Amino acid sequence: GNSVTQMEGPVTLSEEAFLTINCTYTATGYPSLFWYVQYPGEGLQLLLKATKADDKGSNKGFEATYRKETTSFHLEKGSVQVSDSAVYFCALSDLVDSSYKLIFGSGTRLLVRP
Amino acid sequence: KAGVTQTPRYLIKTRGQQVTLSCSPISGHRSVSWYQQTPGQGLQFLFEYFSETQRNKGNFPGRFSGRQFSNSRSEMNVSTLELGDSALYLCASGGANTGELFFGEGSRLTVL
Repeated sequence: GNSVTQMEGPVTLSEEAFLTINCTYTATGYPSLFWYVQYPGEGLQLLLKATKADDKGSNKGFEATYRKETTSFHLEKGSVQVSDSAVYFCALSDLVDSSYKLIFGSGTRLLVRP
Repeated sequence: KAGVTQTPRYLIKTRGQQVTLSCSPISGHRSVSWYQQTPGQGLQFLFEYFSETQRNKGNFPGRFSGRQFSNSRSEMNVSTLELGDSALYLCASGGANTGELFFGEGSRLTVL
């Protein structure tokens, strides 16, 4: 079945460092891909998305490119801030009989130190 | 535009009891999904409703059930609670058929 694999955390960075969180997927067909972020005590917020190969999703300085050849959707940010500390989830949309469900990776905790 | 609203935010129950959680989707969204989040299993899909019909169901026991009303609001129920049901239950609503979901803040259930 379809699945998502994320790099294990926690990832600890200093403020203004470059961030990469790796995400690879296994899927039949061409799912949409997403990054969600979860701040402490909160639900999930959609960070960015890409719906087809070579699409680049971007938001708040974060970027990810849908790479079909490597089945990857790595999250990057050029300069992280303390406020970016959160758990990041990579996900793909799985379509079954007109019903979408999201399949999530295990999440990567990011801690940014001042 | 109001987001997805879940109630209650926090609740504590004891084993054997049942619980009902409520979700109001974003206005205009007809699809409502439920997910369970635990430290051990991560985020797992429970079920999805569209126009009052359950279209998809995850791999959970029959103790977990849900329904959707004509105004798209949804409830999920867990009967005969077990300690392992302690989790954050997240509701999400979706609009167009892109798989893009918008989540609520969640209902944190603790079973003692």
